[in-house]
Amino acid sequence: DAGVTQSPTHLIKTRGQQVTLRCSPKSGHDTVSWYQQALGQGPQFIFQYYEEEERQRGNFPDRFSGHQFPNYSSELNVNALWLGDSALYLCASSRTGDPNTGELFFGEGSRLTVL
Amino acid sequence: GQNIDQPTEMTATEGAIVQINCTYQTSGFNGLFWYQQHAGEAPTFLSYNVLDGLEEKGRFSSFLSRSKGYSYLLLKELQMKDSASYLCAVSHNAGNMLTFGGGTRLMVKP
Repeated sequence: DAGVTQSPTHLIKTRGQQVTLRCSPKSGHDTVSWYQQALGQGPQFIFQYYEEEERQRGNFPDRFSGHQFPNYSSELNVNALWLGDSALYLCASSRTGDPNTGELFFGEGSRLTVL
Repeated sequence: GQNIDQPTEMTATEGAIVQINCTYQTSGFNGLFWYQQHAGEAPTFLSYNVLDGLEEKGRFSSFLSRSKGYSYLLLKELQMKDSASYLCAVSHNAGNMLTFGGGTRLMVKP
C-alpha cells in the first residue's frame, strides 16, 4: 500500500519564477492538505482540497494556488517566487468522515530553495 | 486566532522519562494531536486527544486538559531513536485542518 508520494523531492528556483509541486494521496484517501514548513519551525497550513475544490485556506497570499484531480492527486502552484518561499512543502492526505480526523498521513515533502 | 506554545529544545538521557508540554489558545477546539518528525523526514502521527485525560500507547502517553488549554506528551524508557522533533497540533474544526506549534527538538543522550 503506497503512502503519500510527492514530487519533486528537491528543486531550486530563482526569484520571480513559478513552481508546481505534486502529490498523490494514500490509497483510499480523498482529502489533500498542503503545509509549508520553514527550517526549525512547525508546518503552516496552506489549503485543503476535497472533491476537487479548495475547502479551507490558511493565511497565504493568492500567489499560492492549487488543484485536485478526479483521482484525488493534487498540485500546489506558487507564482512570483521570493526568497521567503524557501521551505519544505508537505502534502498530507486523509479521508473525510474518518472518526480520527487528526491522523494526517504526510509525504516526505518537496524541499524548495529560492535563490 | 490560534496560538500554540511548546519548548524549543529538550535534552534527556537514554532510559529516562521526559515530558513535553504544550499550551494552546484556539477557537472551536476539535482535538489535539502529537506528531514525531525525524530530521529530513515526514511527520508521523503519535496520538490524538479529544477528551480530557490520559491516552496511553506503548512507551508514549498523551494528556489533555481542555479547561486549561494544556497537553503533554510523555515518553518513557527513552531510546536514542526517540531523538526527533515533537509537534503539538490543534484542530479547531472538523475538516482535518491542523495548526501546529513550532515543535520541540528532543535530544536523547547515552
